[in-house]
Amino acid sequence: EDQVTQSPEALRLQEGESSSLNCSYTVSGLRGLFWYRQDPGKGPEFLFTLYSAGEEKEKERLKATLTKKESFLHITAPKPEDSATYLCAVQGGGDDKIIFGKGTRLHILP
Amino acid sequence: DTGVSQDPRHKITKRGQNVTFRCDPISEHNRLYWYRQTLGQGPEFLTYFQNEAQLEKSRLLSDRFSAERPKGSFSTLEIQRTEQGDSAMYLCASSDRAHEQYFGPGTRLTVT
Repeated sequence: EDQVTQSPEALRLQEGESSSLNCSYTVSGLRGLFWYRQDPGKGPEFLFTLYSAGEEKEKERLKATLTKKESFLHITAPKPEDSATYLCAVQGGGDDKIIFGKGTRLHILP
Repeated sequence: DTGVSQDPRHKITKRGQNVTFRCDPISEHNRLYWYRQTLGQGPEFLTYFQNEAQLEKSRLLSDRFSAERPKGSFSTLEIQRTEQGDSAMYLCASSDRAHEQYFGPGTRLTVT
């Protein structure tokens, strides 16, 4: 069964303090790994899709990387507006649904 | 920019009542997905349409839940005889390929 585990569950950082969020996954035939940002009371906002090991994507202060077993979301010099829950999800070869992890709640202190 | 829209945004209902939610996808997207999210959890897949065909339903979806997508445009999700355990955020997403899914703002259901 496809599974996604995110760590840590919560992370508090000072503004400017860089860090990484982890997403470990097991899936039959990875078709895509997705990162979303979710603000309280809102729907998830699409950030990145990664398709194969070694791939990297960047957007502003965020950089996502992928290996055969896990993905990292690196946050460089974060700002308070980066505070949100970051969700990782995978899509396997069997069907079109995506399986989400529980997310990492990120809080950036000014 | 016309993203995914959902209506209503909030719904409070009494246990045993029926509720219906609507989702309007991004216009050129042929795939539409419903998810349920409870506090502290990631979204859980419920069901999925390609055009008007419902292609997959989760085992989470009891027979009190039904979804339709007439004419392959908007979709409705109905919950009959609501229970307190149905309280959650119901999210709709759409995509034009079987990859990036774009989510709406969600409908928050509270069953009292």
